[in-house]
Amino acid sequence: DAKTTQPPSMDCAEGRAANLPCNHSTISGNEYVYWYRQIHSQGPQYIIHGLKNNETNEMASLIITEDRKSSTLILPHATLRDTAVYYCIVRVAQGGKLIFGQGTELSVKP
Amino acid sequence: GAVVSQHPSWVICKSGTSVKIECRSLDFQATTMFWYRQFPKQSLMLMATSNEGSKATYEQGVEKDKFLINHASLTLSTLTVTSAHPEDSSFYICSARDSGAKAYNEQFFGPGTRLTVL
Repeated sequence: DAKTTQPPSMDCAEGRAANLPCNHSTISGNEYVYWYRQIHSQGPQYIIHGLKNNETNEMASLIITEDRKSSTLILPHATLRDTAVYYCIVRVAQGGKLIFGQGTELSVKP
Repeated sequence: GAVVSQHPSWVICKSGTSVKIECRSLDFQATTMFWYRQFPKQSLMLMATSNEGSKATYEQGVEKDKFLINHASLTLSTLTVTSAHPEDSSFYICSARDSGAKAYNEQFFGPGTRLTVL
């Protein structure tokens, strides 16, 4: 599975959009981009995934560049409860293991 | 969404004792479960893949005789930390793959078990 690179930490003001970048320049054609987050001392929570098209659900939006070498997770209106470590993972859709990198620690501030 | 539970949520034990952690998929069947370990301020590290009815597959560097995994049913996997020592103190997290769900987001995580070895 391809590796990912994320900034170690980011701050965001409550109510503003949080844009979390991820670099995955070695991604293969059959690998998806997944985003999970982990609130302190809890298990990871699935957020969203995508292959090459932009995706949106009730939690977030995922923007994937045309060359698929990077992506951005967007939390449109961040709240204090969105404070967590966000992990960007690339893996094949079926059978692939979720290998976690260091993630980005997002702090949403009042 | 699908629910995965872990028991116990936390445990404190003496050095040299063995500790069993259970991981259950509550509303779906899971032929495959995964065990992770997480030290403070670090990311999750995959320890092993547990397959129902067969032997677990361990990641490189993980001692299979130290961390015994049993996946006897489609809803239960157990991790036993044998002869635990203080360096085994960690946050242990399991995840379960929903055998019947869509492939893309089929892996669900438990809430974790905090192990402290004195």
